[in-house]
Amino acid sequence: GQSLEQPSEVTAVEGAIVQINCTYQTSGFYGLSWYQQHDGGAPTFLSYNALDGLEETGRFSSFLSRSDSYGYLLLQELQMKDSASYFCAVRDRSGGFKTIFGAGTRLFVKA
Amino acid sequence: GAVVSQHPSRVICKSGTSVKIECRSLDFQATTMFWYRQFPKKSLMLMATSNEGSKATYEQGVEKDKFLINHASLTLSTLTVTSAHPEDSSFYICSAQGTTTTNEKLFFGSGTQLSVL
Repeated sequence: GQSLEQPSEVTAVEGAIVQINCTYQTSGFYGLSWYQQHDGGAPTFLSYNALDGLEETGRFSSFLSRSDSYGYLLLQELQMKDSASYFCAVRDRSGGFKTIFGAGTRLFVKA
Repeated sequence: GAVVSQHPSRVICKSGTSVKIECRSLDFQATTMFWYRQFPKKSLMLMATSNEGSKATYEQGVEKDKFLINHASLTLSTLTVTSAHPEDSSFYICSAQGTTTTNEKLFFGSGTQLSVL
């Protein structure tokens, strides 16, 4: 099976930098994705890492270490609108490609 | 970007009735669609993988006779909750996987909030 762990909640102030960690266990790891979901809304794709290293997309960056089964999402210059849930998700190829989500991290951005 | 349309957005039904939820990829062909279930402030739980023209693959613990999935075309997958009961009340959300190099990205529908009375 697969399992992912990420913190349940993080609080930060506007303008700050926050890092959301994710560790995973899966037998058929193919890649790690990050999604953002606002309350009542659909998840939206933020980033994807298949290889070790850092991927940067604007204010958001994502990192992966396959040897450590670890990744993180880095959010810079936090804005109030970044308050949302952030999910790490593994793309797993065992039994056919599918995406399994972690429990999510609720980020609260304060003024 | 790719758009996935999901209908209805909200449905209230009586216990024992069946409810059909549609998921359409509007501007791309989706060979694979995924159905997730989400409880309030919880994670997305994968229910099944729907492949066009073949039977869906259900995750362990998901009743295939309860949650009927049909993927008749490259742009449409449906989930039917049969004989719904209050414990089936949940947020159901579909996602589609692209067929190009961006197939690691999932495009989500807006979800369906099902309330069974």
